[in-house]
Amino acid sequence: GEDVEQSLFLSVREGDSSVINCTYTDSSSTYLYWYKQEPGAGLQLLTYIFSNMDMKQDQRLTVLLNKKDKHLSLRIADTQTGDSAIYFCAESRRYSSASKIIFGSGTRLSIRP
Amino acid sequence: GAVVSQHPSRVICKSGTSVKIECRSLDFQATTMFWYRQFPKQSLMLMATSNEGSKATYEQGVEKDKFLINHASLTLSTLTVTSAHPEDSSFYICSATGTGGTLNTEAFFGQGTRLTVV
Repeated sequence: GEDVEQSLFLSVREGDSSVINCTYTDSSSTYLYWYKQEPGAGLQLLTYIFSNMDMKQDQRLTVLLNKKDKHLSLRIADTQTGDSAIYFCAESRRYSSASKIIFGSGTRLSIRP
Repeated sequence: GAVVSQHPSRVICKSGTSVKIECRSLDFQATTMFWYRQFPKQSLMLMATSNEGSKATYEQGVEKDKFLINHASLTLSTLTVTSAHPEDSSFYICSATGTGGTLNTEAFFGQGTRLTVV
């Protein structure tokens, strides 16, 4: 199986909160990321959290990290149609003097009226 | 944030030809660059990691003779798909990290290149 796992789909009603979950396996990961990819586009970094933190909030986005369970979540408050995209969870792993980023499968978020 | 420019954004080539994709860091020195491949509706697969001036390290299952990576300077890395086949058609994305500040914690991504081999 993949080292970083996410559910493939999530559907929420406009205005509700979306919660996207992710589990990872490398306990030595230093940073965990959430990226957004809109159709046909590259990746946009939404937010990241350092492994010694358990929560980070940035406007409508809240990231929760449970390091013991290796579980990461992204909550999007007041979900809008513009939030429709694929959301990738990713972890950084140390590689020599740098880090490489390993991605989850991505969660496709769709918004219903 | 720092900017990574990838070129071209789209390319169509004939089977058997080679295609070069460029990844440039515009306003920082990219000590490490990463190349990813994304199949339709799938996640990004790390292909290789390269440090400036040294040979790239390829992930398991990635053919280094087919996907040539050159990281000759601190601002440029290239990926050459040699003798392209239709199954090489994919979305290729580069990313770069640098040193100092947030440059070594955040990976900055290019816009991606959609390669179609006909």
